[in-house]
Amino acid sequence: DAKTTQPTSMDCAEGRAANLPCNHSTISGNEYVYWYRQIHSQGPQYIIHGLKNNETNEMASLIITEDRKSSTLILPHATLRDTAVYYCIATDFSGYSTLTFGKGTMLLVSP
Amino acid sequence: DGGITQSPKYLFRKEGQNVTLSCEQNLNHDAMYWYRQDPGQGLRLIYYSQIVNDFQKGDIAEGYSVSREKKESFPLTVTSAQKNPTAFYLCASRSGGPGPDTQYFGPGTRLTVL
Repeated sequence: DAKTTQPTSMDCAEGRAANLPCNHSTISGNEYVYWYRQIHSQGPQYIIHGLKNNETNEMASLIITEDRKSSTLILPHATLRDTAVYYCIATDFSGYSTLTFGKGTMLLVSP
Repeated sequence: DGGITQSPKYLFRKEGQNVTLSCEQNLNHDAMYWYRQDPGQGLRLIYYSQIVNDFQKGDIAEGYSVSREKKESFPLTVTSAQKNPTAFYLCASRSGGPGPDTQYFGPGTRLTVL
């Protein structure tokens, strides 16, 4: 799986959009970009994934650059409950489809 | 209500004792995983299983053992050979098969060895 790089921490005001970047410059053509988040002392929660096209669901939007070397997770209207560690993962589901979780980005949403 | 359950949420054990962590899923998923998380760190893979009666070591399997006798259950035993067992343990499952798929995680068990 391609290595991903994320900022250690970010701040966001409640009600504003939170834009979390992820760099995956060595991503291969068949690797998907997955985003998970982990609220303190809970299990990781799946958010969204994509291959080439931008994706949107009820939780967030995923913007992948045309060269696929980076992506941005967008939480359109952040709430206090969005405070969590956000993980960006690149995987091609080879082998047994294990996921490599790095340290992620700690997003703090403030009132 | 479908999902993954782990029990107990908190577990305390004396040094030198073996302890078994429970993981059950009713999602009819073929693949199951165990991860370990230390404070401020990401997740590290301990063991995984793609099918009943089959499992493989992950990156940090030493001092751990698993079994997969039933599709819905994947218990993890932390043995006395594990040098630093105090950690947050997470179980996950996915439907299996090729192509993009999503791993779903349980709520975790926090093990403290005294």
